[in-house]
Amino acid sequence: QQPVQSPQAVILREGEDAVINCSSSKALYSVHWYRQKHGEAPVFLMILLKGGEQKGHEKISASFNEKKQQSSLYLTASQLSYSGTYFCGTDLSGSRLTFGEGTQLTVNP
Amino acid sequence: DAGITQSPRHKVTETGTPVTLRCHQTENHRYMYWYRQDPGHGLRLIHYSYGVKDTDKGEVSDGYSVSRSKTEDFLLTLESATSSQTSVYFCAISETSRGGAVYNEQFFGPGTRLTVL
Repeated sequence: QQPVQSPQAVILREGEDAVINCSSSKALYSVHWYRQKHGEAPVFLMILLKGGEQKGHEKISASFNEKKQQSSLYLTASQLSYSGTYFCGTDLSGSRLTFGEGTQLTVNP
Repeated sequence: DAGITQSPRHKVTETGTPVTLRCHQTENHRYMYWYRQDPGHGLRLIHYSYGVKDTDKGEVSDGYSVSRSKTEDFLLTLESATSSQTSVYFCAISETSRGGAVYNEQFFGPGTRLTVL
């Protein structure tokens, strides 16, 4: 069951904020967030686990609503370097991730 | 950066030919994964391994097989390549899960761009 990400794309000006959402129809063990720049490999941003534990980037925040099986990634005071495609990966089984289709973020000067 | 390489990085082949992609890691991580990435589909899991000779299917495993005879190497084989298998293939590695959850981040290799004519 592929998670649903929204929005599909967002365009910002430098310094603006953005929120990317990820929702699943099934119970999750954890949610992962990755960013991919064009022509490069995905890079890890954050993991959110059941019970509230988090691992990840200091300058990026995220939330995980276990009851609703939803996660949100918060990008504040965006920089040009934030541009890329953001993927959430949901863990349904404890051993593998299922990724969403991605959210394309563009930050303009 | 995690020590993970993929070979070849680019390959063009013809329909019906066998193709093997290699993923090599120097991190001694237990889990290894093969994904394909196509526009509009994100990253889709093909197969993964949770130890030497221990593998399992992902969501798009038809037409693909894998082998892992050593901790550091994970091979993906297309027995008879088709045009629908034209894609970018990523390998990823991860440490063991903890507490029943995928606790540790996945590190991705640089990718292999495969074109099947």
